[in-house]
Amino acid sequence: GAVVSQHPSRVICKSGTSVKIECRSLDFQATTMFWYRQFPKQSLMLMATSNEGSKATYEQGVEKDKFLINHASLTLSTLTVTSAHPEDSSFYICSAMRGTYEQYFGPGTRLTVT
Amino acid sequence: AQSVSQHNHHVILSEAASLELGCNYSYGGTVNLFWYVQYPGQHLQLLLKYFSGDPLVKGIKGFETEFIKSKFSFNLRKPSVQWSDTAEYFCAVNAPGKAAGNKLTFGGGTRVLVKP
Repeated sequence: GAVVSQHPSRVICKSGTSVKIECRSLDFQATTMFWYRQFPKQSLMLMATSNEGSKATYEQGVEKDKFLINHASLTLSTLTVTSAHPEDSSFYICSAMRGTYEQYFGPGTRLTVT
Repeated sequence: AQSVSQHNHHVILSEAASLELGCNYSYGGTVNLFWYVQYPGQHLQLLLKYFSGDPLVKGIKGFETEFIKSKFSFNLRKPSVQWSDTAEYFCAVNAPGKAAGNKLTFGGGTRVLVKP
């Protein structure tokens, strides 16, 4: 149990376009999901906390207008990278809360902006 | 703000050697502690967690940690590693007493290479 999926696993887009990444909890409901960014050979940096039915809470330094988060249901959160630029190229990982403090992670999405 | 630091960026071992990865955190209140593993090309998986109780915690795949509160540490140990333990290991904490208690703060990660 506690499976989290992400789609797509890899995406290449042109500079200036927008990309949507989906995060789904497959076998449990998650009122809270998290979005992370992982740079090569570095740790995970929390970008935002996504709460079902309410606005996301962004970490300091993360542009909310650039990284749009929608948590429309208890099993789905989406991250849209708007007007993507090469510096947005990264590995984006989501996690879903199960229980009080445990997070289960998705497999990640590799975004490359050309 | 809480922070988490991992002592080693890279560790190279031979099979059957013992492994110990250091992790320290800075936060004065109650914390929950986690170790995650990321195998090449795979997603993060939970190795073990500590919320309360016995500070010696046994996780999956033979891993264990000992929470030493006085030292703010919870090192990851495995008595005898296998080639399949080659992965990146992350420690993380959250602070349940805080308003943002669900948020995890990760250490920088340690890449472990086990040579056959």
